Amino acid sequence: GQQLNQSPQSMFIQEGEDVSMNCTSSSIFNTWLWYKQDPGEGPVLLIALYKAGELTSNGRLTAQFGITRKDSFLNISASIPSDVGIYFCAGQPRPLLNTGNQFYFGTGTSLTVIP
Amino acid sequence: DARVTQTPRHKVTEMGQEVTMRCQPILGHNTVFWYRQTMMQGLELLAYFRNRAPLDDSGMPKDRFSAEMPDATLATLKIQPSEPRDSAVYFCASGAGGPLSYEQYFGPGTRLTVT
Repeated sequence: GQQLNQSPQSMFIQEGEDVSMNCTSSSIFNTWLWYKQDPGEGPVLLIALYKAGELTSNGRLTAQFGITRKDSFLNISASIPSDVGIYFCAGQPRPLLNTGNQFYFGTGTSLTVIP
Repeated sequence: DARVTQTPRHKVTEMGQEVTMRCQPILGHNTVFWYRQTMMQGLELLAYFRNRAPLDDSGMPKDRFSAEMPDATLATLKIQPSEPRDSAVYFCASGAGGPLSYEQYFGPGTRLTVT
């Protein structure tokens, strides 16, 4: 199946620092999504991106759809302890007729925020 | 607020037993996805449905797994017979589908342990 490389695998940062993570694919995607997963819970959608070059914010989170359409970036500004969790990117290649909205997920970035 | 619900939240069973997991998608959503999450493989897509019709179940071991949508409010994932390697968290997600709405909303998951 499709492979999405997400980096870094893990991050340990001080509260108040900014965070950057990215996701790359070997093929072009039409849509990128960013999710956050807390322990024992399902992933929660943070940001959705639909156009190359698009920059979208959700509070302290900002995500960008790469110009090449093969990558996406997520930034968190002024991190706080509740930002702890695993962040996943998900990408959708051009959908085929009647095949629905299949997405491929990255391997996740584990974020630890030290108070 | 509208959420995807899954039952049971936890299931411990012995090898060889049948396991049935249930999912209630968000009312009005027409796509349903089943994922499996493990430490080693991350999030893997098992199957997905659009308007209750299975579109792709290529990620599912066909000999023991089956997925169905008896009606628009219920999706089931069945494993028979279960094996220890099936131990994982199984997530259901639903989406509104359509060209401008690709977001998937995840349920809390069913944590399956097969001994």
